[in-house]
Amino acid sequence: GAGVSQTPSNKVTEKGKYVELRCDPISGHTALYWYRQSLGQGPEFLIYFQGTGAADDSGLPNDRFFAVRPEGSVSTLKIQRTERGDSAVYLCASSLTLGGDRVAAFFGQGTRLTVV
Amino acid sequence: GENVEQHPSTLSVQEGDSAVIKCTYSDSASNYFPWYKQELGKRPQLIIDIRSNVGEKKDQRIAVTLNKTAKHFSLHITETQPEDSAVYFCAHNTGGFKTIFGAGTRLFVKA
Repeated sequence: GAGVSQTPSNKVTEKGKYVELRCDPISGHTALYWYRQSLGQGPEFLIYFQGTGAADDSGLPNDRFFAVRPEGSVSTLKIQRTERGDSAVYLCASSLTLGGDRVAAFFGQGTRLTVV
Repeated sequence: GENVEQHPSTLSVQEGDSAVIKCTYSDSASNYFPWYKQELGKRPQLIIDIRSNVGEKKDQRIAVTLNKTAKHFSLHITETQPEDSAVYFCAHNTGGFKTIFGAGTRLFVKA
């Protein structure tokens, strides 16, 4: 597609429920990133995929968070047993990787998750 | 460590003046430094980036400088316009592809 697409744009869920957030990266981008942004703060790194594999998941806050990218394109961020503190905007970004060099990442519009 | 410190947190300038935002990092392996602009309720948008083998890069009214020895980099916006008002984030990668963002600078350009 023309840009990074995230669905849903808004999600309200009850505490304790399970949610899935979807990211469709720019076509051909091999690198995919998930970030979380709370109000008034910078994006906080969660996980990075190179192709199908999670190359760096050191930002996932705990084992309630998990992400997959089974075919190297679309990714799903999964949050189990949601807590009110999980409320934030979840941003996805994608980029090319050229010869191992980092290149510009482009963000989706985000999913605003509200846990009530 | 991985973190990047960004200053100031808020910056107010008169239209036409210059704005400078500074960031400091500590990971000597960092080699890529992007800057993002985020308007209220919108996604972060890349405005300029620089690699560690370059000391300065310019794109119209925006320039970025990098001092690898001192581990700091700066964003310079000249001839500011009201539409430049937004939150600006510096970022750096930590030797791989993990990118860490600063806390942001809220820029107000007064007409």
